[in-house]
Amino acid sequence: DAGVTQSPTHLIKTRGQHVTLRCSPISGHKSVSWYQQVLGQGPQFIFQYYEKEERGRGNFPDRFSARQFPNYSSELNVNALLLGDSALYLCASSPWDGTYEQYFGPGTRLTVT
Amino acid sequence: GQQVMQIPQYQHVQEGEDFTTYCNSSTTLSNIQWYKQRPGGHPVFLIQLVKSGEVKKQKRLTFQFGEAKKNSSLHITATQTTDVGTYFCAPGKTQGGSEKLVFGKGMKLTVNP
Repeated sequence: DAGVTQSPTHLIKTRGQHVTLRCSPISGHKSVSWYQQVLGQGPQFIFQYYEKEERGRGNFPDRFSARQFPNYSSELNVNALLLGDSALYLCASSPWDGTYEQYFGPGTRLTVT
Repeated sequence: GQQVMQIPQYQHVQEGEDFTTYCNSSTTLSNIQWYKQRPGGHPVFLIQLVKSGEVKKQKRLTFQFGEAKKNSSLHITATQTTDVGTYFCAPGKTQGGSEKLVFGKGMKLTVNP
């Protein structure tokens, strides 16, 4: 089975621009979460979506938004990019079966200049 | 918020040595998971611990959940160069209907061949 896929792999944007990152979960997984990982730190929770509804939000500004589609894929949008948004953005899917194990995609490396 | 401290943050060992890394929480955890992230890679799920005093083994890796469910440990026997990476412990947290992982800074392991 295919794992979690994310696109694009790398992205370079300028301050003030907008970015959309995409994620396809493992087949059968209905929950998708987004994490931001800054170099040298652990991943930080941004959002969780389940059945197209936002189920959780981390401590991130309103410039960050996301949505989940009927096929359970997801998009993360970031507006008005700041230099500090440069990070690895990880998508993780979960079977949402009472366990917490999550399966991460390869991530999108975002660089804001 | 719920946080975990991992000690040590960095560990350099000689190939063939054993070592243990610890994960400590100030609050009781309902569960804890361990992930491994290779350099340039993404976190990969290793194990989930739920029960007090639970011990699980994966080949040369032994994971333990403390009796009070406030700490966990990962012991690696006969370290190999393939063990290189950052190991994260992450309590799973349910909040408002969401399941999220709370990552610490991780323990970065380097191995001298």
